[in-house]
Amino acid sequence: QVQLQESGPGLVKPSETLSLTCTVSGGSISSYYWTWIRQPPGKGLEYIGYIFYSGSTNYNPSLKSRVTISVDTSKNQFSLKLSSVTSADTAVYYCARASFSDSSGRTFDYWGQGTLVTVSS
Amino acid sequence: QTVVTQEPSLTVSPGGTVTLTCASSTGAVTSGYYPNWFQQKPGQAPRALIYSTSKKHSWTPARFSGSLLGGKAALTLSGVQPEDEAEYYCLLYYSDAVVFGGGTKLTVL
Repeated sequence: QVQLQESGPGLVKPSETLSLTCTVSGGSISSYYWTWIRQPPGKGLEYIGYIFYSGSTNYNPSLKSRVTISVDTSKNQFSLKLSSVTSADTAVYYCARASFSDSSGRTFDYWGQGTLVTVSS
Repeated sequence: QTVVTQEPSLTVSPGGTVTLTCASSTGAVTSGYYPNWFQQKPGQAPRALIYSTSKKHSWTPARFSGSLLGGKAALTLSGVQPEDEAEYYCLLYYSDAVVFGGGTKLTVL
């Protein structure tokens, strides 16, 4: 059973960089896409971006200038950095496994429990 | 900017049937958008239910089904249970983006 666990600071100051790590257990990080999604309090889900285990990335155009997603296959981890944060970036951040296969299907199947990050001075 | 639209809220009686829909601002939703559906209960992470329009995960209850209906993606719940009360999100894959719908709050009453 694949499990994902987010970790990182729960409080970030405005204008600083939010950094989170997702640790994958119960399976290899290879052969899948690894994604970040966020959910502001009381609001809907927003796709942030993904990274393939080989390193190729895709980012939400609305966040692209501030987002970096990286992967460390040796540690079975991938990470999110979001720069120049404001209060609008306060949200629960989820990591999830995704597939983008035309033949076997496209899905975000396994999710972490999420971690709340608050942007405040 | 691409917008994916869902009904804000729906109410269904226990044992009843309800259909949630997912529309794209770019036009008709087809299988090429690989529609996904997720269920989220308060305080929990989203749980994947349906992918690639109508495929079910191993954990998806049989009463959930996905389809295309009138140019939209659709999620149908048949024989609704009280535990189905939740927020439901659709997701569509575009050529260069992935976009979630705004969510439908389903009340079982």
